[in-house]
Amino acid sequence: DGGITQSPKYLFRKEGQNVTLSCEQNLNHDAMYWYRQDPGQGLRLIYYSQIVNDFQKGDIAEGYSVSREKKESFPLTVTSAQKNPTAFYLCASSMGAGRMNTEAFFGQGTRLTVV
Amino acid sequence: AQKVTQAQTEISVVEKEDVTLDCVYETRDTTYYLFWYKQPPSGELVFLIRRNSFDEQNEISGRYSWNFQKSTSSFNFTITASQVVDSAVYFCALRDTGRRALTFGSGTRLQVQP
Repeated sequence: DGGITQSPKYLFRKEGQNVTLSCEQNLNHDAMYWYRQDPGQGLRLIYYSQIVNDFQKGDIAEGYSVSREKKESFPLTVTSAQKNPTAFYLCASSMGAGRMNTEAFFGQGTRLTVV
Repeated sequence: AQKVTQAQTEISVVEKEDVTLDCVYETRDTTYYLFWYKQPPSGELVFLIRRNSFDEQNEISGRYSWNFQKSTSSFNFTITASQVVDSAVYFCALRDTGRRALTFGSGTRLQVQP
């Protein structure tokens, strides 16, 4: 089935550690996105990529890094510089910049907790 | 800059009541797209509808209807005869040419009581 797969579903991180969240899509979409959701709040954009080997910072990029070496993959690294990383992280994809009228498809999310 | 406002934080209704979720947006673009998503307790966002800025025709789809008004920058969503399964968080989102990623509102939590 086509879709977006995020792993792991739950992730625990010790303070000072870097962790990487995986996001894979088989929808042949050009664009991919990472959002952060805090309890009772909306989704805030961390990073997005409109095409392979290119990505842009979103509204809250500090303390995060990404790569886009393959079309189907857009991993997010939460670094030790992120002061409050406990949150729900959602990955999404869409057809790309030339198709603004198309919806984004979302993964099931990764819940990250700092212990 | 883009902005989406959902002033209703939480709404509670009894089953079979009609409920309207409000969404107000801001953008400098003349071409933009509006979306509604539903987030059930599982966490995954489910796409419901999209509208483009040059199509103000309102739509009804089953129990759902949408009211898009450019004059007031609003894109409201109505559920007719609500059901318990409609309980979820609903998000309004905007995409314009300034930033091609979706900008989301803070969401409205809808609780439908049996």
